[in-house]
Amino acid sequence: NAGVTQTPKFRILKIGQSMTLQCTQDMNHNYMYWYRQDPGMGLKLIYYSVGAGITDKGEVPNGYNVSRSTTEDFPLRLELAAPSQTSVYFCASSYTASGGTRQETQYFGPGTRLLVL
Amino acid sequence: RKEVEQDPGPFNVPEGATVAFNCTYSNSASQSFFWYRQDCRKEPKLLMSVYSSGNEDGRFTAQLNRASQYISLLIRDSKLSDSATYLCVVNKGGKGSGGGADGLTFGKGTHLIIQP
Repeated sequence: NAGVTQTPKFRILKIGQSMTLQCTQDMNHNYMYWYRQDPGMGLKLIYYSVGAGITDKGEVPNGYNVSRSTTEDFPLRLELAAPSQTSVYFCASSYTASGGTRQETQYFGPGTRLLVL
Repeated sequence: RKEVEQDPGPFNVPEGATVAFNCTYSNSASQSFFWYRQDCRKEPKLLMSVYSSGNEDGRFTAQLNRASQYISLLIRDSKLSDSATYLCVVNKGGKGSGGGADGLTFGKGTHLIIQP
C-alpha cells in the first residue's frame, strides 16, 4: 500500500490564482480530512468527509472547497489564492466502523507546501 | 484553558536520559487520546494511543489522568532518533464525540532535542 499520497509537494501561487491539491488513499478508508499547519501552530481542520459524496466544513473552511466523488480521492480546491493561505497542507484518512464511537487513528500524507505571493 | 495545551519547549536532553512531558485538555467529555510524532518538515505519525489504564510501548509510556485532564508521555533511554516534535491529540467530545469525524484537536507540539 502507498498509504496517503499528495500532489504536488510544493507550489508557488500568485494572489488570485487557483489550484487543486490532490489527495489519494489506497487503504479503503471511509473518512478523509484536510488540515493546514502554519509554522509553530497546531493542525487546523479545513474540511472532512465521512464517505463518498459527503463532505463537511471543519474549523477553517473559508477560501477552500472539496469534493469526494470516490472513496480514494479527496481533492482540495483553492479558488482565489491569498497570502493568508501560505501554509503546509496535510491530507489524512482513517477508518471508522459504521456506528463507531471511537476516533480512530489518522494516517497522514507527506504534505503540500504552498506559498502565495 | 486552551482545548489542548502543551509546553512548546524545546526540551534539550542528553542521550540516554529519561524525559517526560504533559499535555492538558479542556473538554472533560473527551474520550480518545493520542500522541503523534512529527519530524521536521514531515507529516505527523501516530506514536501511540493513550488508554485509561496507561500503556507502554518499548521505551515509551503514556498515562491518562481524567480527573486532572492531562496526558503524559515518558521516554526512557532516549535516542538521538527521538528528536522530533510530539503532538498531543484529543477528540473533542460532546457533539461529534468519539466517532465524530471533525472531532480531533491537535496541540501545537512539544519540541524535543536529544543531544549526544
